[in-house]
Amino acid sequence: AQKITQTQPGMFVQEKEAVTLDCTYDTSDPSYGLFWYKQPSSGEMIFLIYQGSYDQQNATEGRYSLNFQKARKSANLVISASQLGDSAMYFCAMREERRGTYKYIFGTGTRLKVLA
Amino acid sequence: NAGVMQNPRHLVRRRGQEARLRCSPMKGHSHVYWYRQLPEEGLKFMVYLQKENIIDESGMPKERFSAEFPKEGPSILRIQQVVRGDSAAYFCASSPLGRAYSNQPQHFGDGTRLSIL
Repeated sequence: AQKITQTQPGMFVQEKEAVTLDCTYDTSDPSYGLFWYKQPSSGEMIFLIYQGSYDQQNATEGRYSLNFQKARKSANLVISASQLGDSAMYFCAMREERRGTYKYIFGTGTRLKVLA
Repeated sequence: NAGVMQNPRHLVRRRGQEARLRCSPMKGHSHVYWYRQLPEEGLKFMVYLQKENIIDESGMPKERFSAEFPKEGPSILRIQQVVRGDSAAYFCASSPLGRAYSNQPQHFGDGTRLSIL
């Protein structure tokens, strides 16, 4: 079974609009972490935002916010005021802890295209 | 404070040759992860290592692939007798260990693009 699911292979958004990228996860562990990464066409992986399973508040980093709904097991990324430079692949990832070590599982990604 | 360093950035090999990919983690990071990314696909976990120890290699193909992280020096991902299907981007990431760092993400290198002729 998929542990991290990103159901939107591609998304379009108009410049200056907000966009939500979906991510659902599956784990039975009480302690886990959720991450979003951006991969522009140049190929590097850029960390955007982190949410811990025990965090009460939704994480925010500048124009990025994470809509964390624990009961639904969803961790959607919201990008406000989209810019042309936001066009990229976006990956959701979950970190599970096993006996003091961490394992990361990535979703298949969503390609975002921002339109001028 | 240097980030995760991977080299080479691009590597071209002929079928049957060996490919060696190197990764130096961020200073203070004791854990290294290797991932493979095919064009237009996500990251596939390959192996997770500590110094001198393989923690999890469940994503490694059973043959031709090996990884190490020696006490001194970088982590090495080695692919023997490469085939066309090995062409991909290989990313290395590192992280610190411990609950104190639980909000720290993995930090990625820029990847090695392996092309098999």
